[in-house]
Amino acid sequence: DVKVTQSSRYLVKRTGEKVFLECVQDMDHENMFWYRQDPGLGLRLIYFSYDVKMKEKGDIPEGYSVSREKKERFSLILESASTNQTSMYLCASSFNLAREIRGNTIYFGEGSWLTVV
Amino acid sequence: SQQGEEDPQALSIQEGENATMNCSYKTSINNLQWYRQNSGRGLVHLILIRSNEREKHSGRLRVTLDTSKKSSSLLITASRAADTASYFCATNSGAGSYQLTFGKGTKLSVIP
Repeated sequence: DVKVTQSSRYLVKRTGEKVFLECVQDMDHENMFWYRQDPGLGLRLIYFSYDVKMKEKGDIPEGYSVSREKKERFSLILESASTNQTSMYLCASSFNLAREIRGNTIYFGEGSWLTVV
Repeated sequence: SQQGEEDPQALSIQEGENATMNCSYKTSINNLQWYRQNSGRGLVHLILIRSNEREKHSGRLRVTLDTSKKSSSLLITASRAADTASYFCATNSGAGSYQLTFGKGTKLSVIP
């Protein structure tokens, strides 16, 4: 089974702190994603990466950065956390579309609940 | 940007009844997928239907796709309390697109 592991399930951080959310997948997936999920707004894509050291902005990249130094690991960084970044963050991964003959099914981690106070 | 929109936003049914959720989208797609999310957890893939397919089954799930109306439906037959969750449709559009665009979800409550 595919496993996407998010390092922290619950975090509480102070305004202005630098926050790292780590995600590791064990299926040799090329693509990795960070979403945030808020009530009434659904899932919104922050950043995604289709290869090591490659990244592309999603719908809401402001206030975030990412790092992908190894294929299995994708980190989301909040350079200076703010209260409006309090949310649930979901990491996901998938095969490259060309390889995934069944379609680009996305596999999600369990989520990280971040509270910024 | 939001592509899929699920309807209804919330649905409450008795155990044993069927549950139907709908999804509408705006642009042409390669495939449409349905995901399930238990409260406070990650999303789990349920079923994928390609743009050239009209209906697909998986266990108690039945998905239909009408590309002319840009809509899909997810039917869960003989619902169980354990089916209580939020259900999301997600669309993939454009050749080589890595991204899925998710709707806001339907919250299903199955009452024992």
